This record gives sequence, structure tokens and C-alpha cells, in this order.
Amino acid sequence: QVQLQQSGPGLVKPSQTLSLTCAISGDSVSSNSAAWNWIRQSPSRGLEWLGRTYYRSKWYNDYAVSVKSRITINPDTSKNQFSLQLNSVTPEDTAVYYCARELAAAAEGDYFDYWGQGTLVTVSS
Amino acid sequence: DIQMTQSPSSLSASVGDRVTITCRASQSISSYLNWYQQKPGKAPKLLIYAASSLQSGVPSRFSGSGSGTDFTLTISSLQPEDFATYYCQQSYSTPPAFGQGTKLEIK
Repeated sequence: QVQLQQSGPGLVKPSQTLSLTCAISGDSVSSNSAAWNWIRQSPSRGLEWLGRTYYRSKWYNDYAVSVKSRITINPDTSKNQFSLQLNSVTPEDTAVYYCARELAAAAEGDYFDYWGQGTLVTVSS
Repeated sequence: DIQMTQSPSSLSASVGDRVTITCRASQSISSYLNWYQQKPGKAPKLLIYAASSLQSGVPSRFSGSGSGTDFTLTISSLQPEDFATYYCQQSYSTPPAFGQGTKLEIK
């Protein structure tokens, strides 16, 4: 059974960096059949995919255009976890942030089958 | 980027009703369409993948159909625990995109 456990602060000041970590159990961040994603949810934006990291003989990242200049997602193989850093945050970045495993199911396409518990991050001074 | 549009945005129904939620993609996505259920304060839960494949552990009253641009999620006989918000999501291309959600409420 895969479990994703999120950690990180719930309050970040404007212009600072939002940092969250997602610890994985029951799978490996280096899996060749999964990608590790960050997704956020707010009333104004709904469910918004932010980016992913995945290993296919080497490490890759994909990021949403809307946050590409501000986001970094890094794997940590020693701790079997991955992290999100979002720089220069504004109140518009206030949202519930989720980590999620995306299973690469070949002909059936990919899907988010395991999710973290969610972290409400508020951007406010 | 591919846009996903769900209808209706909200729906009132009674226990035992059959309900259908529709999702439309802005371009053809073959069968690369997933459905999720979300309850308040919880993460989304995968119900259906590849348009019509039932995720393990999901009750058989949930079913999905469609291909190309038009998809449906059907709940054959609503149970009290089914009142939630439902989202479709395309996995045809990056970025993966979600619909805006359909809130299913008790009539």
C-alpha cells in the first residue's frame, strides 16, 4: 500500500518561498513506472497541476507554464521523498497543496492513484 | 493546452437515483480520461481510469464511458456516501488538466 505523507509550514509571507515535502512509503521515488506530482486546489483555480518529477534512466521534470519561473520539484532518493519549492509567493498562491503519485499505465494512460493528505498553505504577512 | 469542461456544475439527486455527469475535452483525448471523487477536507480519490476502467475497490455502481471529446460518469443507484464533488482529468498530454468539478448534493 502506497502512502504519501506531506510536511511543511501552513503560513508563508508574501515574496518568500513555499516549501513542502512528500515522504513516500510503499514505492520508490526512483520508480520507472511512476511520476511524483504536486497539485494545488483553491476556490478560484480549482484543481491545478503544478509539476512532476520522474526517473526514466535519468531524472526529468515537467512544470506548469503558470509557475515555471518560480517552481522547483526535487527528488531525494536517500529519504525516498520529493519536495516542492515555490518562490516569490503572493496571496494568489494560497491553496491546499497535494502531492500525488501518477502511475504510468502505458496503453491505459496515466492517472493519480495515491494522494497526500493535503496542506493548506496561506500566504499572508 | 487541453481544457476540460464538466456539466452540470451542481446536481441535486436522491438516494437510489441514477445520475450522469458529463465531461468534454477541448480536443480529442482518445480514452485518456480519469474520474475522481472528492469529499470535503479530503484528497481526491480515483474512481475510473482510461475512461471506463474501474479502480480497484470502487463499487460497481460507478461506471464511465466515452472517447474522443465526450465522456460520462454514471452512478447507477446513488448511495448516501456518494454525495461529493466529482472531477474529470485528461492524461492525453502535459499538462494534465482537471474539469471544474460537479457537486452532487442531496435533494
